[in-house]
Amino acid sequence: DTGVSQDPRHKITKRGQNVTFRCDPISEHNRLYWYRQTLGQGPEFLTYFQNEAQLEKSRLLSDRFSAERPKGSFSTLEIQRTEQGDSAMYLCASSLVGTGNQAFFGQGTRLTVV
Amino acid sequence: AQSVSQHNHHVILSEAASLELGCNYSYGGTVNLFWYVQYPGQHLQLLLKYFSGDPLVKGIKGFEAEFIKSKFSFNLRKPSVQWSDTAEYFCAVSGYGGATNKLIFGTGTLLAVQP
Repeated sequence: DTGVSQDPRHKITKRGQNVTFRCDPISEHNRLYWYRQTLGQGPEFLTYFQNEAQLEKSRLLSDRFSAERPKGSFSTLEIQRTEQGDSAMYLCASSLVGTGNQAFFGQGTRLTVV
Repeated sequence: AQSVSQHNHHVILSEAASLELGCNYSYGGTVNLFWYVQYPGQHLQLLLKYFSGDPLVKGIKGFEAEFIKSKFSFNLRKPSVQWSDTAEYFCAVSGYGGATNKLIFGTGTLLAVQP
């Protein structure tokens, strides 16, 4: 399968713990996005990269959240000191520059903070 | 502020009925418009897109959408739905020409098609 892959698919963690998610985009795609989705809502933009540069971050992305894309390929999203309000589906998407921001999504990582 | 409104949160239809899902957007500038679909247990998939040109765009599985610039709308239609169309549908907007490269989504419409 050459689509966007995310790991893990599910994560249960205790409040206060740190968690890290990984996203592998479609190989030739140079843009990579992170979104968060909660029940009954559409995906909310968190941040995006073009190659290894992080070009935009949402105000939703508190200081406890950090994302990296060190070599312009895979990306990681880390949440430090998790809170119950962080429970959500974290979606990764990728796109190719020049294709009108048509994004391809992964299956997501479902985070539950207990 | 940039936003997308989807008026119908839940829609229940019988098979063969016609479908129209509303989508209005607020965005200062030229836009790219998308409809994504999420089938139960699956990831978001692109249904159709509008970048420029003919405002009536056709997508996969018999879906189409019409961009009406004066109404800031991009409604999704299908003349005859099938049970397999049961899914959640999301409208999304992005800036045209690199003004912004993120997608802004509506809250989604959950469609249930009864056999």
